[in-house]
Amino acid sequence: GDSVTQMEGPVTLSEEAFLTINCTYTATGYPSLFWYVQYPGEGLQLLLKATKADDKGSNKGFEATYRKETTSFHLEKGSVQVSDSAVYFCALSGGSARQLTFGSGTQLTVLP
Amino acid sequence: DTGVSQDPRHKITKRGQNVTFRCDPISEHNRLYWYRQTLGQGPEFLTYFQNEAQLEKSRLLSDRFSAERPKGSFSTLEIQRTEQGDSAMYLCASSLGRGTSGSYEQYFGPGTRLTVT
Repeated sequence: GDSVTQMEGPVTLSEEAFLTINCTYTATGYPSLFWYVQYPGEGLQLLLKATKADDKGSNKGFEATYRKETTSFHLEKGSVQVSDSAVYFCALSGGSARQLTFGSGTQLTVLP
Repeated sequence: DTGVSQDPRHKITKRGQNVTFRCDPISEHNRLYWYRQTLGQGPEFLTYFQNEAQLEKSRLLSDRFSAERPKGSFSTLEIQRTEQGDSAMYLCASSLGRGTSGSYEQYFGPGTRLTVT
């Protein structure tokens, strides 16, 4: 079945540092790929998406590129802020129901 | 507010009791999903509705769980004879899906946190 493997956390960075959170997937067919973010005490929010190979999703300074050859969708940001502290989930959409399969999440803490 | 809403936000119940949660999706969305999230894990798919039809159920959805979406609007998730292992966050999401194309991005509600004592 479909699966998502995400870089284990927690990750602690200083403000303005470069962020990479690795995500690889296994899926049949051609899934859409997503990053969701969960801020403390809040629900899951869609951060960015990519629907086909070589697509780059971007939002709020975050980027991720759909790499079919390496089955990866790594999340990057050039300069993190304290307000980026949250849990980040990589997910794919597949199956007849297009349900989401999530990774286990990566806790990011950014220190001032 | 036109987002996904869920009620209640928190529920504490004793083992063996029945509980029911409600989800109101974004009004024009025809697809509705239920997920369960335990501490430190990503959400896991439970079930899916397209309009009023329940089209898919995960193996995680035991016989004690039932979900409905009458008239293709709001949905309810009921757990009968709750067990301590049912303690989790129950998330509802909705999306607008047409045919077999599109990204089917899903929008999540705030969740209902269930604690079974």
